[in-house]
Amino acid sequence: GDSVTQMEGPVTLSEEACLTINCTYTATGYPSLFWYVQYPGEGLQLLLKATKADDKGSNKGFEATYRKETTSFHLEKGSVQVSDSAVYFCALSDPHPGGTSYGKLTFGQGTILTVHP
Amino acid sequence: EPEVTQTPSHQVTQMGQEVILRCVPISNHLYFYWYRQILGQKVEFLVSFYNNEISEKSEIFDDQFSVERPDGSNFTLKIRSTKLEDSAMYFCASSGTGTRETQYFGPGTRLLVL
Repeated sequence: GDSVTQMEGPVTLSEEACLTINCTYTATGYPSLFWYVQYPGEGLQLLLKATKADDKGSNKGFEATYRKETTSFHLEKGSVQVSDSAVYFCALSDPHPGGTSYGKLTFGQGTILTVHP
Repeated sequence: EPEVTQTPSHQVTQMGQEVILRCVPISNHLYFYWYRQILGQKVEFLVSFYNNEISEKSEIFDDQFSVERPDGSNFTLKIRSTKLEDSAMYFCASSGTGTRETQYFGPGTRLLVL
């Protein structure tokens, strides 16, 4: 079945440091890939997505490139801020059975990021 | 901006009791989902719902669980006889019907079974 593996956390950085959170996946079809973020006390918010190989998703200074050859979707940011402190989830979705919308999301275990001033 | 809402935010119940978790999806969405996250573990898919029926469910979603869309706005998850291991954060999500639509998540209901 489908699976997602994220780098172990937690990750602690100083403000303006570079961030990389590794994510690799296993899927039977041609999935779409996502990064969701969960700020303290809130639900999951879509951060960025990529729907096919070599696509780059970007939002709020974060980027991730869909690499089919390495089955990876690593999250990067050049300069993190204290406000980026959150839990980051990598996820994939195959097309919904019998439909065009996305089916279930399969999540990685989440990576806790803490950014200090 | 439209958002998914969930009630209650927290629920404490005794083992064996029934609980109903409520969700109001985004109004023009037609696909609905429940996920759960046991503390310290991954977010896990439970069930998806479309056109008034379950379209996909996981192994976790056994006979103790049921979902319903009782009216045009609510989407509920019922656990008939709660167990200690049902303690988790439960997330509702919804998506539209366009190609490759994003799932939008609610803030979650934290369920504690004693």
